[in-house]
Amino acid sequence: DAKTTQPTSMDCAEGRAANLPCNHSTISGNEYVYWYRQIHSQGPQYIIHGLKNNETNEMASLIITEDRKSSTLILPHATLRDTAVYYCIVRVRGTGNQFYFGTGTSLTVIP
Amino acid sequence: ETGVTQTPRHLVMGMTNKKSLKCEQHLGHNAMYWYKQSAKKPLELMFVYNFKEQTENNSVPSRFSPECPNSSHLFLHLHTLQPEDSALYLCASSQDYGGAGANVLTFGAGSRLTVL
Repeated sequence: DAKTTQPTSMDCAEGRAANLPCNHSTISGNEYVYWYRQIHSQGPQYIIHGLKNNETNEMASLIITEDRKSSTLILPHATLRDTAVYYCIVRVRGTGNQFYFGTGTSLTVIP
Repeated sequence: ETGVTQTPRHLVMGMTNKKSLKCEQHLGHNAMYWYKQSAKKPLELMFVYNFKEQTENNSVPSRFSPECPNSSHLFLHLHTLQPEDSALYLCASSQDYGGAGANVLTFGAGSRLTVL
């Protein structure tokens, strides 16, 4: 199963870049990596996704290693509103392509 | 507002009540999902509907009964629930389900259910 491993928690100073790592060593060749975040008691919010190349949008950048076994989500200038749980997600083959959310990384942005 | 609307946002019910959660999306998506999120646990997929047909049922107890009358609406009917069913119930939609390409989920804000 292409599951993910993330640190349980991280802190980041406000205004600094937040780098959130994720391991997905069993990901299949054609599977995307997705990142979502969930602010307390709200629905998860889509951030970014990628397949092989690095990606950037208005929210974040996604760096995927060449072997695709890990990735890093980068929030370039973290603000207090970025405090949330961040999920790195892949689909799990053999289960109808269901998404595996895991427990994510709880990011706290410190003033 | 994400384009996926869930009502009610909060629901308190007794174990003998019958209630329903509603989800509506105006994104033109063809797949809709129910997820359950209990305290300090990962999101658990409950049901998936693709083009109004149920494609996934993750061994959910029969006291949860989904209904998908069309691609824009999804219901979760609740009957004879237990206190351990108290959780945040999240609805999501996506363009389709199980395709080879990217499949981005759009979530609603959730319905917080408390069973007394």
